[in-house]
Amino acid sequence: GAVVSQHPSRVICKSGTSVKIECRSLDFQATTMFWYRQFPKKSLMLMATSNEGSKATYEQGVEKDKFLINHASLTLSTLTVTSAHPEDSSFYICSASPQGPYSPLHFGNGTRLTVT
Amino acid sequence: AQKVTQAQTEISVVEKEDVTLDCVYETRDTTYYLFWYKQPPSGELVFLIRRNSFDEQNEISGRYSWNFQKSTSSFNFTITASQVVDSAVYFCALRENTGGGADGLTFGKGTHLIIQP
Repeated sequence: GAVVSQHPSRVICKSGTSVKIECRSLDFQATTMFWYRQFPKKSLMLMATSNEGSKATYEQGVEKDKFLINHASLTLSTLTVTSAHPEDSSFYICSASPQGPYSPLHFGNGTRLTVT
Repeated sequence: AQKVTQAQTEISVVEKEDVTLDCVYETRDTTYYLFWYKQPPSGELVFLIRRNSFDEQNEISGRYSWNFQKSTSSFNFTITASQVVDSAVYFCALRENTGGGADGLTFGKGTHLIIQP
């Protein structure tokens, strides 16, 4: 079964509104979670590393004020797309691993965001 | 900086043929981890295999096999007797070990594999 749950799987919102995406590790604690973005027929690009109890680390070129990340507990990280615009439409995927770098990252099923 | 190259954008074969997906990586670390993931049309990422840099043993799992060669920085993936259900996008990925063990994956651009009946 899924070890990382991501919700919602699909969301359509109007331009200017904010959207929150949740990522939960179901049967392990994750001090670190990762958020990726995937454009159609493209690869996954790491957006940010979410650290429990501290600020997220953003990759170069990712607007931290646009993509707010909160990692409030060891099993939950949220990504909020603020003031969404059509260019924010994309497939967002979170991931987490229970242990060190040798453990495979488990991925959520992704959230398809469409901004109209 | 790390980099993963999957030169094959799309491969189309007829069912039952063998197919190899290439992956070449770049890293300055001596300790690193390699992965393959499958992404079917539904979008979820399915973990297939992981390898650490100290383990060059090739691996076979059913119809899947992986050839890891540090000398050429390659980690190729072969599907034997391909089936239509193998149709998907396959990603090769690299994870470096920076001590904290908290790096995200660097993905290749993916290879879209089409298995025709």
